Formats: sequence, structure tokens, C-alpha cells
Amino acid sequence: EVQLVESGGGLVQPGRSLRLSCAASGFTFDDYAMHWVRQAPGKGLEWVSGISWNSGSIGYADSVKGRFTISRDNAKNSLYLQMNSLRAEDTALYYCAKGGILVPAALDYWGQGTLVTVSS
Amino acid sequence: DIQMTQSPSSLSASVGDRVTITCQASQDISNYLNWYQQKPGKAPKLLIYDASNLETGVPSRFSGSGSGTDFTFTISSLQPEDIATYYCQQYDNLLLLTFGGGTKVEIK
Repeated sequence: EVQLVESGGGLVQPGRSLRLSCAASGFTFDDYAMHWVRQAPGKGLEWVSGISWNSGSIGYADSVKGRFTISRDNAKNSLYLQMNSLRAEDTALYYCAKGGILVPAALDYWGQGTLVTVSS
Repeated sequence: DIQMTQSPSSLSASVGDRVTITCQASQDISNYLNWYQQKPGKAPKLLIYDASNLETGVPSRFSGSGSGTDFTFTISSLQPEDIATYYCQQYDNLLLLTFGGGTKVEIK
């Protein structure tokens, strides 16, 4: 059974940093692209970042480019999101999601999310 | 950047009704369009990929069509368990994705 478990969320002051983690199990992690998607309270989904299976290709939403860094450790079956210079508008539930085997940009499994609150 | 315009933002329909949601891309995206269902308090679930391909295990009352800039998602016979918000999502490359604004579906 595919499982994605996010951690690392919490309350952080504007301008500070936070690192999210996603522990994956139940599939061959290094075969798949992985993504972070966020959802502000009461709002829609916003794709944040994605990384190919071998970290050779990476993409970011314009809203986080230059502040967030995605990475993965295939030996540890883990995905990460380093978030720097956090802003109030980064407050959201952050989901880790797995890309599909045929379509890496079709997100076929999702975690339950970790909540990030940016506030003074 | 490619923008996705999803409509309507909400709808109310009766059980058994046919429900249609549209998504329009700001430029040609071929068939690079996926659809998701999100129930309250839950993570999204992939229903349709590449415009018209049903994800494994998804009921056949869900379907998708379209290519280029105009796409349609249909529930052929609305069921009570289909109450959710539905999102389209495009990808103009495999690592640059955009979601539509969502459509909240309620029972009349």
C-alpha cells in the first residue's frame, strides 16, 4: 500500500525557515517524480514544486521560486521542501504527492498534509 | 504562464443528474489535463489523466474529454458520494503544473 506521510509543519514567524519532509513507502520511490502541493485555508489547490526521479529536473511555482528548494533522498525514500523567507501567504496545508508512472504530472497518491502557519 | 479557467465555481444538482464542469486553458495544452476530486477534510484524488483516461478504480460515471484549450468533465449520474470539489490541472511540462480554481458540487 502506497503511503506518504508529511512532517515538519508548524507555526513560524515571517522571514524564518522551515523544512518539510515526506516519508514514502509501498512503492519503488526512485522510479517516480514527486511533488509538493499546498492549500491555503478555505482555498483551492496550488502546485508548489516537483522533482524528477533522479533529481535531474526540478520545477517551481513562480510564487515560491528563489525561496523554496525541493530535494529528495532516494536511499531514504524521502522528499523534502526547504522553505526560506516565509511569508503570511505561505500559510497552508502542504501535501506531498506522487507522480504517475505514465504521466509524472498526474498526481496519483497524496499524503494527508502538514500544516504550515506563518504568523508573528 | 498558462492559466486555467474552471467553471462554474459551484453547482447544485439532484441525484441522478448529469453534471458538467468545464476548464479552459489560456493556450494550447494538447491533452495535458488531469481532473481531481477532493472531499471535505481529505486529500485530493486523481480521477482522470490526459483529458480522457479514467484512473484505475474510478467509477465509469466519471469521464473527461477535450483537447487544445477546452476541456469537459462529466458525471453521468450524480450520486450522494460525489459531493466534493473538483479541480482540473494542466501541465505544460512534467514539472510545471497549474490547477484550476475548483468547482464545488452540492446536492439540490
